[in-house]
Amino acid sequence: GENVEQHPSTLSVQEGDSAVIKCTYSDSASNYFPWYKQELGKRPQLIIDIRSNVGEKKDQRIAVTLNKTAKHFSLHITETQPEDSAVYFCAAHFMDSNYQLIWGAGTKLIIKP
Amino acid sequence: DTEVTQTPKHLVMGMTNKKSLKCEQHMGHRAMYWYKQKAKKPPELMFVYSYEKLSINESVPSRFSPECPNSSLLNLHLHALQPEDSALYLCASSQVGPSRDTEAFFGQGTRLTVV
Repeated sequence: GENVEQHPSTLSVQEGDSAVIKCTYSDSASNYFPWYKQELGKRPQLIIDIRSNVGEKKDQRIAVTLNKTAKHFSLHITETQPEDSAVYFCAAHFMDSNYQLIWGAGTKLIIKP
Repeated sequence: DTEVTQTPKHLVMGMTNKKSLKCEQHMGHRAMYWYKQKAKKPPELMFVYSYEKLSINESVPSRFSPECPNSSLLNLHLHALQPEDSALYLCASSQVGPSRDTEAFFGQGTRLTVV
């Protein structure tokens, strides 16, 4: 069945350094790839998304890249700050799954001061 | 208004109780969702309503009963729950369009504890 794998499960970086989280997906027909940030006890919030006709998208310190041939997409956070500490989830919309997003398992990002 | 509002924020209920979770959005979204999220796990889809009709039921036990009274409201009726049903219950909504690849907005969730 459809699957999204996310790595690493935990990532610890020094404040100011960059963080990269990677996801791979199984269905080559997938067309939409959002990234959600979830702080402890709060709701998931969309931070950036990318559609299959685009290879890269940036929003200030956050960027997402998509490699359709290799079926993977990555989240890049530059100049990390303490408020970036959270769990990050990637997800993919599979064409056959109607309204479903298939979620990665999540990455706990820890920013060390 | 880009808010999805859920009530209550916290709920403690006994295994014999009946309670309801409520969700409301005024963004004109015609798809609404219930998710269940356990600690340190991604959200798990439970139900999807599209144009007020149930379109997806992810094999959820009958002790969970969804209802969509109108295009802005979504309820989840709870009855005879088990302690393992304790979790964060999230409501979400999105547009329904040809490609269906549009942002899902999440409510802040209801933290449910079954005792």
